[in-house]
Amino acid sequence: GQQLNQSPQSMFIQEGEDVSMNCTSSSIFNTWLWYKQDPGEGPVLLIALYKAGELTSNGRLTAQFGITRKDSFLNISASIPSDVGIYFCAGQPSNSGYALNFGKGTSLLVTP
Amino acid sequence: GAVVSQHPSRVICKSGTSVKIECRSLDFQATTMFWYRQFPKKSLMLMATSNEGSKATYEQGVEKDKFLINHASLTLSTLTVTSAHPEDSSFYICSAPPYPNTEAFFGQGTRLTVV
Repeated sequence: GQQLNQSPQSMFIQEGEDVSMNCTSSSIFNTWLWYKQDPGEGPVLLIALYKAGELTSNGRLTAQFGITRKDSFLNISASIPSDVGIYFCAGQPSNSGYALNFGKGTSLLVTP
Repeated sequence: GAVVSQHPSRVICKSGTSVKIECRSLDFQATTMFWYRQFPKKSLMLMATSNEGSKATYEQGVEKDKFLINHASLTLSTLTVTSAHPEDSSFYICSAPPYPNTEAFFGQGTRLTVV
C-alpha cells in the first residue's frame, strides 16, 4: 500500500505546549484516522474523519480532513506527560476496501 | 469502541518451529480482518487481508506458505508463522472493522521472538 507522508518525525516539547502534526498523500482518501501507539501495544484510535473539510475534536485533540482529501492534521492542546507516544495517521484509499495505509509516525516526547 | 483481542501478547520460539497467533473480535462480527507487521520504530505494514470463509489476500512480497492465515469464523482469524527464523522476529498486529467502511480497531499486538 501507499505510504503516507507524516511530519514531523519526532517532537520534544514541554508540558502545556500545543502540538501539531500532519499527513499528506498523493492520492485521495475516503477516510482519515489518527492513532496513538504506546510501546509494546497496538494502536488505539483517537479520531476518525469521514468527510472532506470535517473538523472533529476528542478532548484536547482536534483533527481535520483536508478539503482536497489528500491531507489531514492532528492538534494536541495543552500537552501533558501522558501524551507521550507515537502518533500515526492512516488513510483509506478509495479503492482498497477497508485496508489502511499508514504514515511513518510522529514520536512525541513531553517533559514536565 | 469495538474490542479486538489478540493472543498471545508475547511468544518466544525456537527456529524451525511454528507459532500461531489469534485475533478475535469480542463484541462484533468481522468478515474481514487485517494482519500487519511492525519493525522497531517503524510504521505498520500490511501483510494480508483475512477473509471469512475464503482465502486470504496477501500483499506483494509476503510468502503465503510462510504466513498461513485462517479465518474460520466471523470472530476469529489466525496467523501461523511456519518454520520460523530469527528474521521473522517482529511485532504482529491484527485489526478488524466492525462495519463496512468504518474505522479499524487493533488488537494488542504479539511480540514474536525467534531464537
